[in-house]
Amino acid sequence: TQLLEQSPQFLSIQEGENLTVYCNSSSVFSSLQWYRQEPGEGPVLLVTVVTGGEVKKLKRLTFQFGDARKDSSLHITAAQPGDTGLYLCAGQRRPPPGTYKYIFGTGTRLKVLA
Amino acid sequence: GAGVSQTPSNKVTEKGKYVELRCDPISGHTALYWYRQSLGQGPEFLIYFQGTGAADDSGLPNDRFFAVRPEGSVSTLKIQRTERGDSAVYLCASSLGTLGEQFFGPGTRLTVL
Repeated sequence: TQLLEQSPQFLSIQEGENLTVYCNSSSVFSSLQWYRQEPGEGPVLLVTVVTGGEVKKLKRLTFQFGDARKDSSLHITAAQPGDTGLYLCAGQRRPPPGTYKYIFGTGTRLKVLA
Repeated sequence: GAGVSQTPSNKVTEKGKYVELRCDPISGHTALYWYRQSLGQGPEFLIYFQGTGAADDSGLPNDRFFAVRPEGSVSTLKIQRTERGDSAVYLCASSLGTLGEQFFGPGTRLTVL
């Protein structure tokens, strides 16, 4: 059972366009992270959000944690070819009742065309 | 500085064989995680260690999978009687503690023929 569903699964856009990726769950998470992964490499952390309603910005990327800490979104402004990759969300449900394991989402594969 | 390293980078084996996958975490990182990733999917949690002990092994698919971290540093993921369905990239990550940033290795691509 996949606790974190991401949408869309695939996204192909032109350079300069804006996009939003969603990460949804029916479970509450203590924290949620976003990663980007390129072929042949491990995921690289972009951001961690821990407070319901929290918004974080990283250059052209804006991350939001839902008020109920069950969902999150990643918005990219003016996408560039260098943004191409697999975007992953991951949630941690700390004890109690969880453990410190991370549950990853299903992934969104983004391709930005020049 | 050295990041997380995993060996081998690629492993091809035959159905029924035993394999060991090694992870060298960043020095000083007490938490170590193992994941399995199928093509185009997100990583699937297998097990994590805090120090030498397995704090949560709920993701191990069955008793053919086992992992150790005897000295609280290097970890080995062991798979017995491999099956074709075990083919995937096995990722290792380490962090300073259970709340710290995870740093991932490049993974070991396992192919079971």
